[in-house]
Amino acid sequence: AQTVTQSQPEMSVQEAETVTLSCTYDTSESDYYLFWYKQPPSRQMILVIRQEAYKQQNATENRFSVNFQKAAKSFSLKISDSQLGDAAMYFCAYFTGTASKLTFGTGTRLQVTL
Amino acid sequence: GAGVSQSPSNKVTEKGKDVELRCDPISGHTALYWYRQRLGQGLEFLIYFQGNSAPDKSGLPSDRFSAERTGESVSTLTIQRTQQEDSAVYLCASSRTSGRAGEQYFGPGTRLTVT
Repeated sequence: AQTVTQSQPEMSVQEAETVTLSCTYDTSESDYYLFWYKQPPSRQMILVIRQEAYKQQNATENRFSVNFQKAAKSFSLKISDSQLGDAAMYFCAYFTGTASKLTFGTGTRLQVTL
Repeated sequence: GAGVSQSPSNKVTEKGKDVELRCDPISGHTALYWYRQRLGQGLEFLIYFQGNSAPDKSGLPSDRFSAERTGESVSTLTIQRTQQEDSAVYLCASSRTSGRAGEQYFGPGTRLTVT
C-alpha cells in the first residue's frame, strides 16, 4: 500500500523568507503523480503544485517549487518570499491511476510571522 | 465556472440519527470522491465514483456508510445510526477523467458533529 509521510507537524517562517516542507512516500509503482495541497482555515483544499513522476524536471508555480527525488522517494515543497496568506495546513498527496484516489500525509501547519 | 459545492456546511446531529451529506461536482467532471478529515488529521479516502458507478468503496469504514451518485452529477453520502466517532469534516472532490491525472477539485466540506 502507498503511504505518505510528513514528519514536520508544524513549521514557522518569517515573512519574505524561504521555507521548505518535507514529504516522503512509499510505493512500488513507477507511474504516479505527487501533489501539494494547501488548506487554510476556511477548509477549502487548494491545489498548490503537481509533479509527474516520469518528469525529471522539478515543477514550479510562481513562489512555489518542489524538489523531487524519485530514487529517494522524497517530494519537498519550497515556498519563497513567504507571505502572510501562505499560513495554512499543507498536505502532500500521492496519486496513481491504478488506485484512482489521493493518499494524503498528515499535514504540516505553516505559520508566517512578521 | 462554479466549483464543487457541498451542503450543508455544518450539521449537528444526535447520536443514533441518520444524516445525508450532498455534493455537487463541477459540471462535466465524471469522477467524484468522498474523503473524511478528522480534527487535526489528514484526509482519509472513503469512496470513488466514475460516472454513477463506484469501482472503489474500500474506504467506507462500516456498513453504516453508503453513497450514491445520480445523473453523473450530484452525490449523497449517508451515515446511518451516527456515532460520536463519525464527527469529522467530510470533503468531496471531482475531476475530469481525461484531464490532468489526479488533479482533484475540492468542495468546502461539511462539518459533522455528533452529540
